[in-house]
Amino acid sequence: DVKVTQSSRYLVKRTGEKVFLECVQDMDHENMFWYRQDPGLGLRLIYFSYDVKMKEKGDIPEGYSVSREKKERFSLILESASTNQTSMYLCASSLYSPWGEAFFGQGTRLTVV
Amino acid sequence: AQSVTQLDSQVPVFEEAPVELRCNYSSSVSVYLFWYVQYPNQGLQLLLKYLSGSTLVKGINGFEAEFNKSQTSFHLRKPSVHISDTAEYFCAVSAGQGGSEKLVFGKGTKLTVNP
Repeated sequence: DVKVTQSSRYLVKRTGEKVFLECVQDMDHENMFWYRQDPGLGLRLIYFSYDVKMKEKGDIPEGYSVSREKKERFSLILESASTNQTSMYLCASSLYSPWGEAFFGQGTRLTVV
Repeated sequence: AQSVTQLDSQVPVFEEAPVELRCNYSSSVSVYLFWYVQYPNQGLQLLLKYLSGSTLVKGINGFEAEFNKSQTSFHLRKPSVHISDTAEYFCAVSAGQGGSEKLVFGKGTKLTVNP
């Protein structure tokens, strides 16, 4: 069974902290994505990566960075967390093709206080 | 760049009634279209996808969608819904020829099935 695993389901962090959200996939997929989900706004793409050490900005990259040192792992980094980054974060992976199905993790609900 | 518009943010229906969730897209190149479902407190899972060929696509749980190129639409339908279909539904589009094109989602439609 295909699997995308996000390291935490719920996370509470303080303003100004550096936050790491980890995502691991076991399907040998080339593409990996980080989305942010907010009520009424749907899923907005933060960053995606199509290969190890490769990354491209999505629609809302400000305040975030990413790291992909190994094919199976894609990390989202909040350099200095702010309250407006309180949200649900979803990781996904897919094959290297525009028609490939994306497989999603369960999500991490991050609260910044 | 591609974009997706889901025309209804919320759709309430009664059990066993038919439902249509509307999706329009825009893209300057050939597109691949998807519908995903998100049940409460879960990640998204694929319902169905259109890649090419027949414009009527059948998916899981009795859902189907019709690709209409002239109207740039990809509406999702089910002839008779169940309480268990209560969830949020997302339309998504991917475009281009390469492999690194991003998957763009609509804002979602919350389907509530009432007894």
